[in-house]
Amino acid sequence: QSALTQPASVSGSPGQSITISCTGTSSDVGGYNYVSWYQQHPGKAPKLMIYDVSNRPSGVSNRFSGSKSGNTASLTISGLQAEDEADYYCNSYTSSSTVVFGGGTKLTVL
Amino acid sequence: EVQLVESGGGLVKPGGSLRLSCAASGFTFGTYTMNWVRQAPGKGLEWVSSISSSSTYIYYADSLRGRFTISRDNAKNSLYLQMNSLRAEDTAVYYCARATGLAWFDPWGQGTLVTVSS
Repeated sequence: QSALTQPASVSGSPGQSITISCTGTSSDVGGYNYVSWYQQHPGKAPKLMIYDVSNRPSGVSNRFSGSKSGNTASLTISGLQAEDEADYYCNSYTSSSTVVFGGGTKLTVL
Repeated sequence: EVQLVESGGGLVKPGGSLRLSCAASGFTFGTYTMNWVRQAPGKGLEWVSSISSSSTYIYYADSLRGRFTISRDNAKNSLYLQMNSLRAEDTAVYYCARATGLAWFDPWGQGTLVTVSS
């Protein structure tokens, strides 16, 4: 199972919006609405930010949103804040009943 | 408070074995699928294995080639990962994570570091 494809890095200024893409295949991202997104700060465990493509867990800011089109899922962060600077990972359920993660994207808030 | 605490990591020589544990609290452990996810130093997250609530369904990443075995003891609220024939490339922080959905992991433990080196 190959890792999902994410851009290595993205950046934006405070207050701006950014989008991180996560591209897979019809056997994972495109085949199921089971894509999640995680935020990871250095030295910390990942934190769930979006589940099942576009749902936000309780306590996660509504500045975070998710969507999917075909084999590509996206995470959008609006109104960027300094504390959003972190690594972001997507994952997806697969047709083999396994899970695959993306390679991760480093978000820099300028 | 829902909590997962991993233990059992450490330094092991190539070819050696190690057993990781994950102690769960604050939720009904026996009703959730559990997962192991690892992260090599400076690298991304890699899904390792999952086990269903009653151990009926068990899955592994292809890359492990039968060297790892996941198990659980619902009476002890504990998840395990037996790792054999360890290689340098298995060096990573190993996280346990509860699966609330099919690919929806929350929460995660703090992780335990496994270092494979001679």
